Amino acid sequence: EIVLTQSPATLSLSPGERATLSCRASQSVSSYLAWYQQKPGQAPRLLIYDASNRATGIPARFSGSGSGTDFTLTISSLEPEDFAVYYCQLRTNWPRGVTFGPGTKVDIK
Amino acid sequence: QVQLVESGGGVVQPERSLRLSCVASGFTFSTYPMHWVRQAPGKGLEWLAVISYDGINKYYADSVKGRFTISRDNSKNTLYLQMNSLRAEDTSLYYCARDLTEYSAYDQMKYWGQGTLVTVSS
Repeated sequence: EIVLTQSPATLSLSPGERATLSCRASQSVSSYLAWYQQKPGQAPRLLIYDASNRATGIPARFSGSGSGTDFTLTISSLEPEDFAVYYCQLRTNWPRGVTFGPGTKVDIK
Repeated sequence: QVQLVESGGGVVQPERSLRLSCVASGFTFSTYPMHWVRQAPGKGLEWLAVISYDGINKYYADSVKGRFTISRDNSKNTLYLQMNSLRAEDTSLYYCARDLTEYSAYDQMKYWGQGTLVTVSS
């Protein structure tokens, strides 16, 4: 079973700063990795799919990178609306399924 | 615009059953794989199940395999989750979500409903 680990658990930053969120898989995986943003009381929103592709309507300040076991979500300059919890998510083929990471909370410093 | 509206949640006793529904609109429901994902209060996201666009292929998380059944009625644009033998740890907000792509599941979820709350308590 593939396990996703996200770090840090909490990231305290100020608006305008750069945020770098990490997602690590317990073994080498495909690039079917996605990133989601979730704000309190809201459903998750897809930000990045296939590790590095921005979903429709997602601002360019969000970018994804990585392969193998290490993936990164970068927010180049935090806007006030970006303070939220971010989850990475992976499709697994054997067994077929989906795994979410535990999340990284980005809060205001 | 794409809309997913879940219903069917509520308070249920342990070991009882509940069926959740998710009505879709704004896209061609019959061509997209669909998922159920849940979130316990204050916790992270847990994927539960996916169903292929035609309803033939279904896959489940180990935590619900044998107790939950995903199904769909493409004539009604509706996704279902039949939940049996419910436990206190099934207490969560249940989301339905549409896959990113048509036909072949990418297992990456583009659109989500607002969720329906299930509370399992005696």
